[in-house]
Amino acid sequence: GAGVSQSPRYKVAKRGQDVALRCDPISGHVSLFWYQQALGQGPEFLTYFQNEAQLDKSGLPSDRFFAERPEGSVSTLKIQRTQQEDSAVYLCASSITAGGHGYTFGSGTRLTVV
Amino acid sequence: QQQVKQSPQSLIVQKGGISIINCAYENTAFDYFPWYQQFPGKGPALLIAIRPDVSEKKEGRFTISFNKSAKQFSLHIMDSQPGDSATYFCAARRSNYQLIWGAGTKLIIKP
Repeated sequence: GAGVSQSPRYKVAKRGQDVALRCDPISGHVSLFWYQQALGQGPEFLTYFQNEAQLDKSGLPSDRFFAERPEGSVSTLKIQRTQQEDSAVYLCASSITAGGHGYTFGSGTRLTVV
Repeated sequence: QQQVKQSPQSLIVQKGGISIINCAYENTAFDYFPWYQQFPGKGPALLIAIRPDVSEKKEGRFTISFNKSAKQFSLHIMDSQPGDSATYFCAARRSNYQLIWGAGTKLIIKP
């Protein structure tokens, strides 16, 4: 596709519910990143994939967060037993290089946990 | 732990004026310093970036000034236009891929 596509755009979850957020990167992009952006803040790194390999998951806030990219293209970020503090915009970005120069971001998924 | 400090938090500039946003970093291992522009409801978009071996980079109305010894860098927007109204983020790259972001500056250009 022409850009990074994320779905859904908005998600309201009841506390304790599991959610899955999808990212379709630009075709052929090697690197894929997930970031979490709280209201009025800069994005914070969650995890990084190079093709299908998850090379860094050090930013995932707890073991309730899980990300995968099984075929090296589409990625899913899953949050189990959602909590109110998980409310944020989740941004996906991709880059054609392994080094992550010039990320292209999607528009994000705004998650609200009630 | 904030490793990139950005100021001001918000900025109002008259149309045609110069907008200046500043960032300071702590980690001398950072090797790439991009600026991103974000409109409401959209993801950040890369505006301009610089490496630490360059003191200035200009692209159109946008200029990055970089001071390696002071560990500071800034974005200048010349001839600011209402369409430039957005939130601007500086960032610094750690290791080979991870970006550390500033807290953002909400810029409003008054017509």
